[in-house]
Amino acid sequence: GENVEQHPSTLSVQEGDSAVIKCTYSDSASNYFPWYKQELGKRPQLIIDIRSNVGEKKDQRIAVTLNKTAKHFSLHITETQPEDSAVYFCAASLDTGTASKLTFGTGTRLQVTL
Amino acid sequence: GAGVSQSPRYKVAKRGQDVALRCDPISGHVSLFWYQQALGQGPEFLTYFQNEAQLDKSGLPSDRFFAERPEGSVSTLKIQRTQQEDSAVYLCASSLGAGLAGGSYNEQFFGPGTRLTVL
Repeated sequence: GENVEQHPSTLSVQEGDSAVIKCTYSDSASNYFPWYKQELGKRPQLIIDIRSNVGEKKDQRIAVTLNKTAKHFSLHITETQPEDSAVYFCAASLDTGTASKLTFGTGTRLQVTL
Repeated sequence: GAGVSQSPRYKVAKRGQDVALRCDPISGHVSLFWYQQALGQGPEFLTYFQNEAQLDKSGLPSDRFFAERPEGSVSTLKIQRTQQEDSAVYLCASSLGAGLAGGSYNEQFFGPGTRLTVL
C-alpha cells in the first residue's frame, strides 16, 4: 500500500519568513495530493490540493509543487504569520473514479514566532 | 451549512467496555470515511462507505471494530471490549461524490473527532 513520509517533524520560522514542508510517496499510481492544517484540538482542514496532471498550484501565500518522477511534493508558505502556527499534514490517494482513502504523513508542527 | 459533526466529543471507557461513536456527515455527501489519529500522528484510514455500502474496511485493526451506515447518512463506529491501545481521536470525513476524477468532489471534510480514552 501507499506510504507517505513527511519532513521536518517540527519547523520554527520568524514571522514574515517562508516555510517549506516536504513529502514523498511510494505508490506511483497516486494522483491526488491534499494538504491539511490542524490546529490544536481542532479538525483537519484542507488548505490546498494538487492533482498529478499539474506541477504547481498557488493560492495566495500558499503553493504546492509536485514532482511525479521523484514522487515528491512540497508545501510552501510565504510571508508567514502567527496564525499559520499549526500542524500540517500531507496526504496521497489514488482517484480511480470512486472516492479513495487518504494516506497521511506524520505531520509537521509549524511554529511562527514574532 | 452545517459541517460534519461527531458525538460524543470525548469518551472515557473502562477497558473491556463497548463504545459507539456517531458521525453526521454533510447532507447529501455520498462518501464517508473513518480515520484513527493517535497522539502526535497523522490520521490512519479505518473504513469507507459509499452511501450505505461499506466498500473498504481494510484499515479496521481487529474484529472488535465495526462500522455501519444503514441509511446512507449517519454512521456509527463501534468498538467492542475496548483496550488501552484503542485510545485515540476518531475522525469522520465525508465527501460529496464517489470520486469524479478532476473535480472537487473528492475533497474530504472532517468532523471535530471523538477523543476516546480507555483506562
